[in-house]
Amino acid sequence: GENVEQHPSTLSVQEGDSAVIKCTYSDSASNYFPWYKQELGKRPQLIIDIRSNVGEKKDQRIAVTLNKTAKHFSLHITETQPEDSAVYFCAASYSAGGFKTIFGAGTRLFVKA
Amino acid sequence: KAGVTQTPRYLIKTRGQQVTLSCSPISGHRSVSWYQQTPGQGLQFLFEYFSETQRNKGNFPGRFSGRQFSNSRSEMNVSTLELGDSALYLCASRFDRVQETQYFGPGTRLLVL
Repeated sequence: GENVEQHPSTLSVQEGDSAVIKCTYSDSASNYFPWYKQELGKRPQLIIDIRSNVGEKKDQRIAVTLNKTAKHFSLHITETQPEDSAVYFCAASYSAGGFKTIFGAGTRLFVKA
Repeated sequence: KAGVTQTPRYLIKTRGQQVTLSCSPISGHRSVSWYQQTPGQGLQFLFEYFSETQRNKGNFPGRFSGRQFSNSRSEMNVSTLELGDSALYLCASRFDRVQETQYFGPGTRLLVL
């Protein structure tokens, strides 16, 4: 069935370092890949997304890469700050006949000051 | 524009009871998706509605059902509650059938005793 694997489950970095989170999806029909940040007790917030016809997208300190052949996509956060500490979810979505979004299990990121 | 709203925010029920949760999408958004979030299973897709029609469904038992009204507001119902139904239930809305970006509500936290 449809599945999104996300690694690592926990990531601890020093402030200023980079953080990388990787995801793999199984459904080749997936064509939209959003990343969400969820702080404790809050709703998931979209931080960046990428569509299947693009290989890379960047927004300030955040970048996402997509390898459709390998069904891999990754989130890169540079110059991490303590406020980046949160749980990050990747997701794979397809829109044929209605939207369906499958989420990864999440990565808890700790940024130590 | 007001964001996605969900009511109630917190709910305590006992096993065997049923519950109805409500979601009001962003004004103009016609697609509403529901998700169950638990520490063990992460974010799992329940179903998606567009123009009062269920377009997609996740792998949940028939005890979980939903509907959408003509004003795009959506409800989900869980009958014969089980302890394992304790979770944060999130809804998310998107503009139309081709706009992938979805925005989450604050969630309803359900505790089943």
